[in-house]
Amino acid sequence: GAGVSQTPSNKVTEKGKYVELRCDPISGHTALYWYRQSLGQGPEFLIYFQGTGAADDSGLPNDRFFAVRPEGSVSTLKIQRTERGDSAVYLCASSAGTSGRIDEQFFGPGTRLTVL
Amino acid sequence: DAKTTQPPSMDCAEGRAANLPCNHSTISGNEYVYWYRQIHSQGPQYIIHGLKNNETNEMASLIITEDRKSSTLILPHATLRDTAVYYCIVRPDNAGNMLTFGGGTRLMVKP
Repeated sequence: GAGVSQTPSNKVTEKGKYVELRCDPISGHTALYWYRQSLGQGPEFLIYFQGTGAADDSGLPNDRFFAVRPEGSVSTLKIQRTERGDSAVYLCASSAGTSGRIDEQFFGPGTRLTVL
Repeated sequence: DAKTTQPPSMDCAEGRAANLPCNHSTISGNEYVYWYRQIHSQGPQYIIHGLKNNETNEMASLIITEDRKSSTLILPHATLRDTAVYYCIVRPDNAGNMLTFGGGTRLMVKP
């Protein structure tokens, strides 16, 4: 079946602009995660959704970052007033989110964001 | 902060076993040991996880010491396609717990 997909695969923007990154999780997966990966480092957690609600947004670096998942499926990560330091690969993952089962997270290919 | 320590890089000859170590001396009783890998330009991929018993699946084997303070991921017959960064992660086994990645081990499989 289809895996996690993310669009766009690459996004180049100018400092100060607004960007939206989209994640389509695996169908039926209730848990959705966003991570950010800088060059040469491991991914860092940003936010976790269970269904439509953000259950843990402790990883968001500041209030310029916001994410939504209005229907409990597709999620959008929104970044306002982008800065050069926001340049990174943004990864999305989903999992079945079922209590008592293995919580294997399936990752998408990521969106590479470059802020000029 | 990551709760695991891994060597930054390792080499392995194609066809030989790759043994990737991980130290997690502060692991809690309810935390599992997970392994993910990330091939260049791809998202991380789940490999295996375990609590205290050794585990094996079609991809790899996981050996956890009796005191659970360290583990080893074994790729029995490494191929060039196994070249990747391998991450050892400890976390409770339930939804809602993010993966905390450290630096991982960059495994280079050589012909």
